[in-house]
Amino acid sequence: GNSVTQMEGPVTLSEEAFLTINCTYTATGYPSLFWYVQYPGEGLQLLLKATKADDKGSNKGFEATYRKETTSFHLEKGSVQVSDSAVYFCATSGGSYIPTFGRGTSLIVHP
Amino acid sequence: DAGVIQSPRHEVTEMGQEVTLRCKPISGHDYLFWYRQTMMRGLELLIYFNNNVPIDDSGMPEDRFSAKMPNASFSTLKIQPSEPRDSAVYFCASSFGGRFEKLFFGSGTQLSVL
Repeated sequence: GNSVTQMEGPVTLSEEAFLTINCTYTATGYPSLFWYVQYPGEGLQLLLKATKADDKGSNKGFEATYRKETTSFHLEKGSVQVSDSAVYFCATSGGSYIPTFGRGTSLIVHP
Repeated sequence: DAGVIQSPRHEVTEMGQEVTLRCKPISGHDYLFWYRQTMMRGLELLIYFNNNVPIDDSGMPEDRFSAKMPNASFSTLKIQPSEPRDSAVYFCASSFGGRFEKLFFGSGTQLSVL
């Protein structure tokens, strides 16, 4: 079946630092890849997605590139803000298309 | 649109009691999902419905768990009897169409079984 492996958190950064959260996946067929974000006390919401190899998803300054050769979809942001503090989930859909989520990576940004 | 609405937001109950979690999906969405989130296991898919029909319940942990969707605007997840290991955050999500390019999640129900 499909699976997603994310780096364990928490990731702690100072404001304006560069962010990378690693994600690798295994999936059948031609999966789409997603990053969801969960702010405290809320449900997950889609941050960005990519549907085919070499696609780059982007939103709110975050980016991730679908790398089929390394089965990766790492999340990056050039300058994080305190308001980016949240839990980030990588997900993949393949086969039945039901998304499979990673364990989540907590990001804490200090002023 | 109000988004996916779950109730209650918090539920505290004693072991052995029946617990019912409720979900109202976004109008027009034809898929509904129930997920459970724990520190140990992350986000697990319990069951999902298409057009009110359960499609895959292989994630339901045991017979104590049951889910229904009597109509397009309402679903319940019931635990009877509840146990302390059921303590978790339960999320409902909905989407439109069969490619699941975007799931819309509710705010979740924080369940504590004492």
